[in-house]
This record gives sequence, structure tokens and C-alpha cells, in this order.
Amino acid sequence: GAVVSQHPSWVICKSGTSVKIECRSLDFQATTMFWYRQFPKQSLMLMATSNEGSKATYEQGVEKDKFLINHASLTLSTLTVTSAHPEDSSFYICSGTSGNTDTQYFGPGTRLTVL
Amino acid sequence: GNSVTQMEGPVTLSEEAFLTINCTYTATGYPSLFWYVQYPGEGLQLLLKATKADDKGSNKGFEATYRKETTSFHLEKGSVQVSDSAVYFCALTDGNYGQNFVFGPGTRLSVLP
Repeated sequence: GAVVSQHPSWVICKSGTSVKIECRSLDFQATTMFWYRQFPKQSLMLMATSNEGSKATYEQGVEKDKFLINHASLTLSTLTVTSAHPEDSSFYICSGTSGNTDTQYFGPGTRLTVL
Repeated sequence: GNSVTQMEGPVTLSEEAFLTINCTYTATGYPSLFWYVQYPGEGLQLLLKATKADDKGSNKGFEATYRKETTSFHLEKGSVQVSDSAVYFCALTDGNYGQNFVFGPGTRLSVLP
């Protein structure tokens, strides 16, 4: 099956610093990648959709200047949380789709804790 | 817009019990339907999918049938194991390339030995 990895799996940072999360498709080319946020015991909230080589499309209410998304290649997308604050603490999950299927394949998630 | 409703649980069963997690959807057209499973501290894993009416998705003893007449995609397993304890998400997409995913709220399943 299609495999997506994320790095790091967890990160703790101080308030005001920036954190970068990588999402890689290991055995397929992800023409589209998605970034989700998940709060404890809740469903996934889509933050943004990115296509390789294009600017990401952000969902309503998601600050694009705070959550910077780069989809530089068909196998790598990054999410940078800039000037992180404690309220940004959450579980961030990415997913990818290859463009010839309607299925999203998810990474294992990254737990961000901002102190 | 499209939406997915599923029983929120938590559902607690004894090992070897029969499992049903209900999922109903609202969508225009003919969406593809999915069940994803999330184990503690992990991302989502695709469990099974169905792309058209009357299709049955199956995997690891789990089954779900795409019922267009009742707009449902209930998840079933005949005999659950402790290792099945997880959160199960029903989802749909009306996009051909994985976009426009809509997830249900998730159902937490705990299986006791």
C-alpha cells in the first residue's frame, strides 16, 4: 500500500519559535497533499490542500501566514508553524493522493507541544 | 454540503463479540465511501473502501456495504479482538483525486479481554 511518513513524530518547542514538519510519500508520487489538525478525541480538521509546485489552498479560518505550507516536490510537503503559541499545540497529520485514485493515504502524525 | 454521521461511542465490547458501527452520509452524486482506523498516537490507516452502490469493502475481517438506498456504510466484524481497539472514522469523497474528503466524528472502540 501507499506509505506516507512524517518527521518529527513529536516536537516540543518554546513559545515564539517556529517548527517545521515534513511529510513524505515513500512509494508513490503525491500530486496533492493535505494537512489536517486533530484535537484530542475529535475528528480531523482540514487545514490546507497543496498541489506540487503551486501555492497551498487554505481552509477558512486557517492563517496562511502562520501555517506555511510548501509542496516542493511530488514526494515532499512541509508545514511550518511560525511563532508558535501554546494554542497551536495539537496533532498534525498529513495525507497524500497520487492523482489517479480517490483515496488519501495518511502519515502517522506529528504531536506538537508549545510551552 | 456533504456530511457523514456515525455513532460516536465509545463502544465497549468483549473479545469475540460482533461489532457494528453505523455510518450514514449525505451527498450529491455518487461519492466513494471509506473506513479509516486510528490506533492510539498514530495517524489514520485505510481499512476499506467502496466506490459504488452495492460494493462491499472488506479487510482484516471487517466489512462494509455501500447502500445507496439507505445512504449507509455500516462497518461490521464478526469477532473482534483486543487489538481492534481504536477509533474508526467513516469518510466520503465526491472528488476523483482524493479531494473534498468529509470525515465523521469517529467512533472509539474498546475491546476487553
